[in-house]
Amino acid sequence: EAAVTQSPRNKVAVTGGKVTLSCNQTNNHNNMYWYRQDTGHGLRLIHYSYGAGSTEKGDIPDGYKASRPSQENFSLILELATPSQTSVYFCASGNKYEQYFGPGTRLTVL
Amino acid sequence: TQTVSQSDAHVTVFEGDSVELRCNYSYGGSIYLSWYIQHHGRGLQFLLKYYSGNPVVQGVNGFEAEFSKSDSSFHLRKASVHWSDSAVYFCAVSAGTGGYKVVFGSGTRLLVSP
Repeated sequence: EAAVTQSPRNKVAVTGGKVTLSCNQTNNHNNMYWYRQDTGHGLRLIHYSYGAGSTEKGDIPDGYKASRPSQENFSLILELATPSQTSVYFCASGNKYEQYFGPGTRLTVL
Repeated sequence: TQTVSQSDAHVTVFEGDSVELRCNYSYGGSIYLSWYIQHHGRGLQFLLKYYSGNPVVQGVNGFEAEFSKSDSSFHLRKASVHWSDSAVYFCAVSAGTGGYKVVFGSGTRLLVSP
């Protein structure tokens, strides 16, 4: 039974459109994270959260917002999507030395 | 600032062989070290971690890793690989105290041939 789920699994968006990526965890972890994975850049942290109501900027937050309405849910929001945001996005829960990842969302911005 | 290096982008072995995947780090303070595995099209899966104590740590599916402070290394090993071990392996480091930053290595793609 998957403990971290993401939706949608695939998304095609248009430039300038709004995109919301959702993540749900049943691990009861306080911390949740959003990463993007690109060839040549590895895994990069976008936003993270220490608990419901908190969001913090990671290493590459520009162009992204995050929302943590509850312990279980953590969303990544692209208000004005750009082609440079085409990537695979991973959500994770846990802590900095042991994280549990979702299956990823492949986002293509045309 | 912590950094991590995985010097081998690709490693190919035969089923039943042993394998060692290399990870070197740079950081002056206490440190957490972790290994993750990523099968094609999937998210990363946690394998094992080290912070202190016995420098050899055991993980799932027969994997183990050994910490060496003198070599600044945390190499991952398996005595006998299976074709299902074919995946990309990531080493990760984070500061032992304070902060949020986790730095992932660039990954090593392991191919196990039958």
